[in-house]
Amino acid sequence: SAVISQKPSRDICQRGTSLTIQCQVDSQVTMMFWYRQQPGQSLTLIATANQGSEATYESGFVIDKFPISRPNLTFSTLTVSNMSPEDSSIYLCSVGSGPEQFFGPGTRLTVL
Amino acid sequence: QKEVEQDPGPLSVPEGAIVSLNCTYSNSAFQYFMWYRQYSRKGPELLMYTYSSGNKEDGRFTAQVDKSSKYISLFIRDSQPSDSATYLCAMRERNYQLIWGAGTKLIIKP
Repeated sequence: SAVISQKPSRDICQRGTSLTIQCQVDSQVTMMFWYRQQPGQSLTLIATANQGSEATYESGFVIDKFPISRPNLTFSTLTVSNMSPEDSSIYLCSVGSGPEQFFGPGTRLTVL
Repeated sequence: QKEVEQDPGPLSVPEGAIVSLNCTYSNSAFQYFMWYRQYSRKGPELLMYTYSSGNKEDGRFTAQVDKSSKYISLFIRDSQPSDSATYLCAMRERNYQLIWGAGTKLIIKP
């Protein structure tokens, strides 16, 4: 398994601003995933981040809104840009190998 | 129709009861079937996964996959209040992304 930490754990932001979420893993991993989980709902994959290449975004998510960095094999950031109240959600970082995925504790974002 | 259907609950049972949690799916190409547990304000935690059909047991937890019916189950024996959480099923084809159920909120009453 992998131990994953995220910063910040929660934040309250104003409409129109941006927030960068950090994800740190205790071991080197090839693939990192960013998910969104809206209240009472399941997980939606935002993008897959591989070290050394551009992130791959899922349908409905674009790089201008959710830019991702992956500078090395243990770290990634997700930025939520030009936020609106609809971006209020839990954002989760995940790593996986084979059929198993492991998740960070999440970042709870509220946009006013 | 969603690819994976899961009743959101809540499901409330007395302590010590056997709990049955279920998901149905439509994609016959799914090969890996996972159950995650998520406590409030925490990330999902992998409980167990099964490849293809059959049963898998781990302590008080048993996962079943019936590919002919496109139906998977998670059984919890001797349920404890600490089992109260949201249980999410997830499944995938060989090299594709996970497809998630909506999660079932489980409440074990002391």
